[in-house]
Amino acid sequence: AQKVTQAQTEISVVEKEDVTLDCVYETRDTTYYLFWYKQPPSGELVFLIRRNSFDEQNEISGRYSWNFQKSTSSFNFTITASQVVDSAVYFCALIPNAGKSTFGDGTTLTVKP
Amino acid sequence: GAGVSQSPSNKVTEKGKDVELRCDPISGHTALYWYRQSLGQGLEFLIYFQGNSAPDKSGLPSDRFSAERTGGSVSTLTIQRTQQEDSAVYLCASSFRGPLRGYTFGSGTRLTVV
Repeated sequence: AQKVTQAQTEISVVEKEDVTLDCVYETRDTTYYLFWYKQPPSGELVFLIRRNSFDEQNEISGRYSWNFQKSTSSFNFTITASQVVDSAVYFCALIPNAGKSTFGDGTTLTVKP
Repeated sequence: GAGVSQSPSNKVTEKGKDVELRCDPISGHTALYWYRQSLGQGLEFLIYFQGNSAPDKSGLPSDRFSAERTGGSVSTLTIQRTQQEDSAVYLCASSFRGPLRGYTFGSGTRLTVV
């Protein structure tokens, strides 16, 4: 069985603060993909990053960075110097090589000016 | 089209009636997924189509839910005898062959059963 846990239901920060969104997963598959999606107030889900189970390199994209640690089954997402436009619901997802995927319940991030 | 298109964007229906939700995926995307997002909740997988293979229906919550994908393109999610607990946003996503390049999601259909 697959499971994705985003323990933080809501996070509120002040603009320019750094914030880390946690994601812990469970799977018996040896090949899988991990994703983060952003859902702004408009509702449409926006793909942020994909990481496969064999690639544990951390990745940085602008103010975003991701820390994948297979040993702890975690795929955490950090926003540096947060901005009001970062306010959204962020979903972590575990997707096997084919078929059924599992999403976390999401973390609602509010960035206050 | 450039993105995944879903219609209608909003649907209000009376309890007990049937509804059809439509998804038009990105051209060339062979994989199509339906998810349900209840208010304040995460995404619940419903069904997955991959090319001409038999769909993975393991997420459908009851036999009132069904989905078709005609010609490997447009998909219709049908909910029969709607119940109030069916109220949610129904999201469709497509991808090229599978999850390798992530999904592209539509804007969803907000279904309200009164």
